[in-house]
Amino acid sequence: SQQGEEDPQALSIQEGENATMNCSYKTSINNLQWYRQNSGRGLVHLILIRSNEREKHSGRLRVTLDTSKKSSSLLITASRAADTASYFCATVYQAGTALIFGKGTTLSVSS
Amino acid sequence: DSGVTQTPKHLITATGQRVTLRCSPRSGDLSVYWYQQSLDQGLQFLIQYYNGEERAKGNILERFSAQQFPDLHSELNLSSLELGDSALYFCASSEGLDHNEQFFGPGTRLTVL
Repeated sequence: SQQGEEDPQALSIQEGENATMNCSYKTSINNLQWYRQNSGRGLVHLILIRSNEREKHSGRLRVTLDTSKKSSSLLITASRAADTASYFCATVYQAGTALIFGKGTTLSVSS
Repeated sequence: DSGVTQTPKHLITATGQRVTLRCSPRSGDLSVYWYQQSLDQGLQFLIQYYNGEERAKGNILERFSAQQFPDLHSELNLSSLELGDSALYFCASSEGLDHNEQFFGPGTRLTVL
């Protein structure tokens, strides 16, 4: 079963708006990663946040991690049409040996 | 371009058949991972190899097997194929053992008729 659950399942916004996606997970993690997938293509690694970090930035991306609530959020600021894709959170258990993906949030950005 | 290559891009075959999917990792990466992506199951981790050795196993069926060769390329063998095996199969690679920052190939779309 999936470790992470993204919310919402789908999100539609206008160019220039911010997009926020959330991820909840069930057990202790070593790190949490966010990936993007354009329709039917390979996934692209966006950002990794470790369990001892609370916030991380990369360009227009901001990721937060709240280990007490077992949740993370991905904020994309000033969205562009090219951000249209599915976004997945993926977790590595502290004692685990695999990267477990959630079911993803499908983001549509219209111009 | 992630630097990970997969062949073939598309594969159409019949139930009961056997197929082999091939993956070449990014230069310098020692870990190779295989994933299956389907509409109902989402993205599922199958297996990881590191420098030729199996390191982690996920939801991989007994009908499926994989190996990593001395040149670090990997093959995923799927046998006795069923309709439900139709899916996108991704290979990913990373430098080390720890499942961080994986680089994904473009995938092989398998259709079992």
